[in-house]
Amino acid sequence: DTGVSQDPRHKITKRGQNVTFRCDPISEHNRLYWYRQTLGQGPEFLTYFQNEAQLEKSRLLSNRFSAERPKGSFSTLEIQRTEQGDSAMYLCASSARTGMNTEAFFGQGTRLTVV
Amino acid sequence: GQNIDQPTEMTATEGAIVQINCTYQTSGFNGLFWYQQHAGEAPTFLSYNVLDGLEEKGRFSSFLSRSKGYSYLLLKELQMKDSASYLCAAENAGNMLTFGGGTRLMVKP
Repeated sequence: DTGVSQDPRHKITKRGQNVTFRCDPISEHNRLYWYRQTLGQGPEFLTYFQNEAQLEKSRLLSNRFSAERPKGSFSTLEIQRTEQGDSAMYLCASSARTGMNTEAFFGQGTRLTVV
Repeated sequence: GQNIDQPTEMTATEGAIVQINCTYQTSGFNGLFWYQQHAGEAPTFLSYNVLDGLEEKGRFSSFLSRSKGYSYLLLKELQMKDSASYLCAAENAGNMLTFGGGTRLMVKP
């Protein structure tokens, strides 16, 4: 499977616990994005990497959220001291530009439920 | 800032044609994506437009007007399985994608 892979697919955690999600992008894609999506809404931007550099981070993102992409390949998203409002689908996408075209594909997402 | 607008819901009949519009305002603009998303699933890539005009891919076509900040997705010969949300996303000059809220399309027999 050469698509974007996310792990785990589902996570249930108690409020106050820390969680970490992993994303493995398409291997030749240098850009990696994290989004959060709640029911009936479009994906909300969280952060963006080009190779290992974190270029953008949403101002909506509290300091409980942190993301890394240490070697420019896979990425992790950590949420500390989870709150019930963090319950959402966390989506990872990777992209690359080929000439004038850009392709950007999503993983299957990690569904987080905070109880 | 960036702003993406698309209708919240649309309904169409099986076999018909439907056009889903999207307007965008973004600081710097590279291109426009359309994604399809079925309930509970991740978005799947449909199209990417960087130049003005219409691009056709089978039953789906996507149009872009950069001067008007406007795009549409055209779905022909609608099938029941086309019932889904359709997401418009603008890519800015920094390669960041900003999504609209999605248009939920219901296809009826």
